[in-house]
Amino acid sequence: KAGVTQTPRYLIKTRGQQVTLSCSPISGHRSVSWYQQTPGQGLQFLFEYFSETQRNKGNFPGRFSGRQFSNSRSEMNVSTLELGDSALYLCASSLTETGGAFFGQGTRLTVV
Amino acid sequence: GDSVTQMEGPVTLSEEAFLTINCTYTATGYPSLFWYVQYPGEGLQLLLKATKADDKGSNKGFEATYRKETTSFHLEKGSVQVSDSAVYFCALTGTLLNDYKLSFGAGTTVTVRA
Repeated sequence: KAGVTQTPRYLIKTRGQQVTLSCSPISGHRSVSWYQQTPGQGLQFLFEYFSETQRNKGNFPGRFSGRQFSNSRSEMNVSTLELGDSALYLCASSLTETGGAFFGQGTRLTVV
Repeated sequence: GDSVTQMEGPVTLSEEAFLTINCTYTATGYPSLFWYVQYPGEGLQLLLKATKADDKGSNKGFEATYRKETTSFHLEKGSVQVSDSAVYFCALTGTLLNDYKLSFGAGTTVTVRA
């Protein structure tokens, strides 16, 4: 069974640009969540999608957005990039809330 | 809101030593509890879980017991190997229906020396 796939693995962007990250969940998982990981703030929840609807959102500015498609694949977008957006962005898919989330390898975003 | 506090690292051990990483939580109701492990350059892997009080999660020689009376979920392994060197995260999901959001502790870096 294929795991969670995130693309690309690495990205370098310039301040002010925008970026789109992609996530393909485990087959059959309808919940997809995104997390930001930084050395200073640790792992922070961005948002969760279920059946194309955003069900939960973390405390991030509106520059961070996402969507989910009918095949459960998800994308997140960050507009007007800032240096502080440099982080590892992790996508996770879940079958149930008690079963745990399964993470991809992440996308390492560097903003210069 | 829900939160997790785990033992600060780093922790350095010799091979075959006993490992304990403390984790306590604050939540309303009965959250599900998890331990995740992250190896360098990789995402998080689910190590073990427990969904109700007194449940014991176990995997790869690691164990943790859901203790509601002390709101704790400490991770233990009896004999660590060099390959156990990683960052370990304690986490919980919320107690509301359809709440899939994970709240993580700060992570504990474990280094095992040969």
